[in-house]
Amino acid sequence: DAGVTQSPTHLIKTRGQQVTLRCSPKSGHDTVSWYQQALGQGPQFIFQYYEEEERQRGNFPDRFSGHQFPNYSSELNVNALLLGDSALYLCASSLNNSPLHFGNGTRLTVT
Amino acid sequence: DQQVKQNSPSLSVQEGRISILNCDYTNSMFDYFLWYKKYPAEGPTFLISISSIKDKNEDGRFTVFLNKSAKHLSLHIVPSQPGDSAVYFCAADDTGTYKYIFGTGTRLKVLA
Repeated sequence: DAGVTQSPTHLIKTRGQQVTLRCSPKSGHDTVSWYQQALGQGPQFIFQYYEEEERQRGNFPDRFSGHQFPNYSSELNVNALLLGDSALYLCASSLNNSPLHFGNGTRLTVT
Repeated sequence: DQQVKQNSPSLSVQEGRISILNCDYTNSMFDYFLWYKKYPAEGPTFLISISSIKDKNEDGRFTVFLNKSAKHLSLHIVPSQPGDSAVYFCAADDTGTYKYIFGTGTRLKVLA
């Protein structure tokens, strides 16, 4: 039973560029959440997708956007990258009110 | 404004002894709490949770205690093992918002 898978594992981008991160939820899960974990901090909620709609959004600018596909997989897009966007991006999936299952993350470095 | 706080960035414990990790929160509306463990290069893994209608939840070597009046919870690991060495995150389920609010984590090192 595959858990949450994320791709790519590492990514280096230049300021101003755009990036797309991908996530496949754990089998049987229908809800996907994205978190940003900066160095030395806990994960911070970006947004959650359910039934292909953004259900809730955290305190992140509109440069951060996402999508959920009919197979429940999801993408996180970040436009106009800033140095401060360098972080570990974690995808988590869940079903109903079950605890979040996290993937191993995508390490994004913006230079 | 940190609504979930883990004031100890690190903790070292001898193998076989008890590890106690602490977490404080500020929002009395939080009613469900979780602990996650994170190894390097891996995502956080769910460990144990507790609802605000309880004051204790136990799962094997792991016990979480909740003191609602003090807005404080703690994770006890007994006995501690070297494989428990990881970063532990406390999180509150912000009911109705579909998000968890995480603390900054405590790095536990269990010495053999």
